[in-house]
Amino acid sequence: NAGVTQTPKFRILKIGQSMTLQCTQDMNHNYMYWYRQDPGMGLKLIYYSVGAGITDKGEVPNGYNVSRSTTEDFPLRLELAAPSQTSVYFCASSYSRGWELFFGEGSRLTVL
Amino acid sequence: DQQVKQNSPSLSVQEGRISILNCDYTNSMFDYFLWYKKYPAEGPTFLISISSIKDKNEDGRFTVFLNKSAKHLSLHIVPSQPGDSAVYFCAASAGGGGSNYKLTFGKGTLLTVNP
Repeated sequence: NAGVTQTPKFRILKIGQSMTLQCTQDMNHNYMYWYRQDPGMGLKLIYYSVGAGITDKGEVPNGYNVSRSTTEDFPLRLELAAPSQTSVYFCASSYSRGWELFFGEGSRLTVL
Repeated sequence: DQQVKQNSPSLSVQEGRISILNCDYTNSMFDYFLWYKKYPAEGPTFLISISSIKDKNEDGRFTVFLNKSAKHLSLHIVPSQPGDSAVYFCAASAGGGGSNYKLTFGKGTLLTVNP
C-alpha cells in the first residue's frame, strides 16, 4: 500500500525556471492538499482540492498552480521559480472532512 | 500572525518519564485540534485529535488535554520511549464537525527522549 507518493524528492532550480511536483495517492481519497514547510516554521497550506475538477487556494497560493483531473493525482506547478519558494513541499490526502490527513514524504526544492 | 503557537522549540526527557508538549491558539473559531509527529525525511503522521466539545482524549500512551478558556492544549506521553523522539506539530481547524481540510499548524517542538 503506497499511500501518498511525491516526486521528485529533491530538486534544484534556477531562478525563473518552472517545474511540476507530482503527487499521487492510491487510497481513493477525495481531499488532497499541498503544504510547504520553511525552516523552523509550521506547514502552510498552498492549495487544496475536494474532488476531481475542484481546487481552491490556501494560505500561500502565489506563484503556484494546481490541477485535479483525476482522484489520484494532484500536481503542483511552480512558474518562474523564485528563491522565496525554497522549501520542503508536502502533499497530503484525506477521505473527507473530519478525517485524518495522510502525508507524502516531502519534496525538497532549492531555488538558486 | 501566528494563530497556533508552540513556544518550546525543543524538549528533552528521560526514557520512562512523562513528556508534556504545549500548544496555544488565538483563533476562537478553532474547534478541532490535532497532533502530528514527524521523523526526519518523512512526512508528518497523525497522532491524536480532540474536538472542542471534549477536554480530554486518550489513546494508549498519548493523551491530549484541551482548555478552551485558556485557548491551550497539551499532549502528554507516558511513559516516554526513545522511539518517540521526533518533531511534534500542533494543528487546528475551524468550521465545525471536525472539518480538518484546512489545518493551521504550529512551528513544532522537537522532542528528544534519552535512554
